[in-house]
Amino acid sequence: GAVVSQHPSWVICKSGTSVKIECRSLDFQATTMFWYRQFPKQSLMLMATSNEGSKATYEQGVEKDKFLINHASLTLSTLTVTSAHPEDSSFYICSARDLKTSGSSPYEQYFGPGTRLTVT
Amino acid sequence: AQTVTQSQPEMSVQEAETVTLSCTYDTSESDYYLFWYKQPPSRQMILVIRQEAYKQQNATENRFSVNFQKAAKSFSLKISDSQLGDAAMYFCAYSPWGGGSQGNLIFGKGTKLSVKP
Repeated sequence: GAVVSQHPSWVICKSGTSVKIECRSLDFQATTMFWYRQFPKQSLMLMATSNEGSKATYEQGVEKDKFLINHASLTLSTLTVTSAHPEDSSFYICSARDLKTSGSSPYEQYFGPGTRLTVT
Repeated sequence: AQTVTQSQPEMSVQEAETVTLSCTYDTSESDYYLFWYKQPPSRQMILVIRQEAYKQQNATENRFSVNFQKAAKSFSLKISDSQLGDAAMYFCAYSPWGGGSQGNLIFGKGTKLSVKP
């Protein structure tokens, strides 16, 4: 159980276009989802926290208008990179908290497999 | 602000031997969680072990154990009987107590572990 999927796993887009990345909890409902960014050979940096039905909370330095996050249901959060540029090329990872266990195991996060974005 | 430091960018161990990965952190909180995550070449993050700060007993998961020194703010990972499949990036992470939307993870820079046959 506790599987998180991401789609697509790899996307190439042209500079100036927008690309949407989906994060789904397949067998549980997620109260909270987190979006991370990972540059090659570097650590994961939290970009934003999204809660179902409310606006995402962005970390300092992350442009809200560039990285649009929508958490419209308890099983789906989307990250849209708008007007992408080559410097946005990175590995994007989402994680999710299980609604049912968030009380007893508040630390538990389930990670998706990641999405590799290349902007040409 | 909380920070996590991993001072060993790379480590190497012989198969079947034991290796210890270091991690220190900084926080003014008394309650929190600490984790070690493994990221193999597939880049899927895998939880290796976790420790609640209020617990004095060190966590153990099969061949993986931690040495948690709360006063020193140190949280090292020991891997016993190393296997080829243990080769990966290992990230130490901190999470505030309480979970929910506040329970985001703060990661160290990682240690790349190589296992020699």
